[in-house]
Amino acid sequence: KNQVEQSPQSLIILEGKNCTLQCNYTVSPFSNLRWYKQDTGRGPVSLTIMTFSENTKSNGRYTATLDADTKQSSLHITASQLSDSASYICVVSGEHAGNNRKLIWGLGTSLGVNP
Amino acid sequence: GAVVSQHPSWVICKSGTSVKIECRSLDFQATTMFWYRQFPKQSLMLMATSNEGSKATYEQGVEKDKFLINHASLTLSTLTVTSAHPEDSSFYICSARDVGQEGGRALINEQFFGPGTRLTVL
Repeated sequence: KNQVEQSPQSLIILEGKNCTLQCNYTVSPFSNLRWYKQDTGRGPVSLTIMTFSENTKSNGRYTATLDADTKQSSLHITASQLSDSASYICVVSGEHAGNNRKLIWGLGTSLGVNP
Repeated sequence: GAVVSQHPSWVICKSGTSVKIECRSLDFQATTMFWYRQFPKQSLMLMATSNEGSKATYEQGVEKDKFLINHASLTLSTLTVTSAHPEDSSFYICSARDVGQEGGRALINEQFFGPGTRLTVL
């Protein structure tokens, strides 16, 4: 069964600190993995998208890693800011025949950044 | 670039009425749009895939007669919740795929999400 599991479920850190969020997946075959940030009551915003051949990708203070062998990914946030408080969702795209590639969504990690 | 808007951002309606939600790609053309539903503390659930000029493809368990989807142009898709009931209360999110994507980007199936519409049925 195709699944995406994230940990921790929730996390609270102090402003300025770093944190790392984890994502394990069992989606096969694999096309790409993406991390989204979703603020409360808003739609998801893409942070990074990585294909099979990419091990790491950065977007400002966000750095994602991918180990396709162990089927694990992480999202590292450096120098956290209050505005980083949101849900971070790991999403894996599996390959299907034709163009209808569906996304397998994780439940997300709820991050709270306190002053 | 790649901005998707939704209207309204929130709506409250009485049980039995119909509600229409619009999804627009503002600065690109989208042959394909997707409609999702999200319940509190749940992940997004794909409801249907909307293709411009053709019938939408619904996911298993989603009633096509209850959730009417129209994708009349390359920049607009609408979702109509017919005869809404309290259990339809949810956060509805659309996304759009840029028709201009080619080669590697098209294979990635990159989607741009709208801000969502909060539906409350009393």
